[in-house]
Amino acid sequence: QKEVEQNSGPLSVPEGAIASLNCTYSDRVSQSFFWYRQYSGKSPELIMSIYSNGDKEDGRFTAQLNKASQYVSLLIRDSQPSDSATYLCAVRPSGTYKYIFGTGTRLKVLA
Amino acid sequence: DAMVIQNPRYQVTQFGKPVTLSCSQTLNHNVMYWYQQKSSQAPKLLFHYYDKDFNNEADTPDNFQSRRPNTSFCFLDIRSPGLGDAAMYLCATSMGQTGLAVYEQYFGPGTRLTVT
Repeated sequence: QKEVEQNSGPLSVPEGAIASLNCTYSDRVSQSFFWYRQYSGKSPELIMSIYSNGDKEDGRFTAQLNKASQYVSLLIRDSQPSDSATYLCAVRPSGTYKYIFGTGTRLKVLA
Repeated sequence: DAMVIQNPRYQVTQFGKPVTLSCSQTLNHNVMYWYQQKSSQAPKLLFHYYDKDFNNEADTPDNFQSRRPNTSFCFLDIRSPGLGDAAMYLCATSMGQTGLAVYEQYFGPGTRLTVT
């Protein structure tokens, strides 16, 4: 069983819509959670981090964490074509310096 | 601006010819990581350093070595590159304290390695 799972997509949404990206993880002691955006041929860029249950908002991005359900999501409001990329979910388990990545969800925002 | 820098951005090497990739950081982070990423795959951790303590992943081939001469610099040596080693190599850094705070990891721009 994969430790961090994401739907590979592609997830297609129209411009201006809300994109919802989901991630589940298997390690119950995972402590902090991250969303990265990766454009084709580029390196991952950190866009959100969260470690408390609930929502965390930053501009058009909202991260949602539910530790009981081992679920973290990323909402992108007012999606733009420039948001088209692969979104990687990563978790950092407690007591470790390692980050475990999912394989990413490819998002396409249609103009 | 504080950042993670990788050189070169593109590297072409011949099959079996040793190659070294470099990474430097101005974030003053004590953990540095090397990842390998192939197309449509998650970044795969090769090894990481906590300060000068080296931590190798169990499935990292012996062909891959690393050096960290000081806090700011880290090198990835591929002793005898094979065609299967063609990939993006990513250097990343983070703070290495465990606890309740969120310690974010930042990536450099990557080095795209081609093996001919």
